Amino acid sequence: EAGVTQSPTHLIKTRGQQATLRCSPISGHTSVYWYQQALGLGLQFLLWYDEGEERNRGNFPPRFSGRQFPNYSSELNVNALELEDSALYLCASSLGQGAMGNQPQHFGDGTRLSIL
Amino acid sequence: AQKITQTQPGMFVQEKEAVTLDCTYDTSDQSYGLFWYKQPSSGEMIFLIYQGSYDEQNATEGRYSLNFQKARKSANLVISASQLGDSAMYFCAMREGKTYNTDKLIFGTGTRLQVFP
Repeated sequence: EAGVTQSPTHLIKTRGQQATLRCSPISGHTSVYWYQQALGLGLQFLLWYDEGEERNRGNFPPRFSGRQFPNYSSELNVNALELEDSALYLCASSLGQGAMGNQPQHFGDGTRLSIL
Repeated sequence: AQKITQTQPGMFVQEKEAVTLDCTYDTSDQSYGLFWYKQPSSGEMIFLIYQGSYDEQNATEGRYSLNFQKARKSANLVISASQLGDSAMYFCAMREGKTYNTDKLIFGTGTRLQVFP
């Protein structure tokens, strides 16, 4: 079974540009989560999508946005990039909220975004 | 407010020995889940073990076990028979309740484990 896949592996941008990160969940998973792991700040929750809808959002400015497609894959878009956006962006997937019990989130390998 | 605390920034253990990584949590919810993840230097987050707040038995997965003390709000990870490949960052995480719009994981700051021969 294929795991969560993210692309690209690395992304280099300059300040003010826009970045698009992509994520394909594990087959059968309908929930997709995005986290930012910046140096010294730990993992911070960004966004949660389930069944195509944004279900929850972390404490990030509106220039962080995303969407989930009918096949449950997801995009994270970051507009007007700033130096402090440099981080590892991790995508995770799980069975949806309709599943019983606490489902673990399974993570991809991440996209390392560097802002020059 | 929900919070995860990992007080050990770094731990050393000799190969084949057992090691305990500490995790305490704070929540006002009665229903929650606790998770441990491993992050090698390559960056991917690997799910290790899960404990539900209503589970009466401590969770075990192979060499990993979770020492769950609900009254103390602690969920320590025990790795038995450490291997060199266990060297990594370890994160404790929590998800509260069954409320539909609060499915995020809250992570601790992590513990870097180094296993030496």
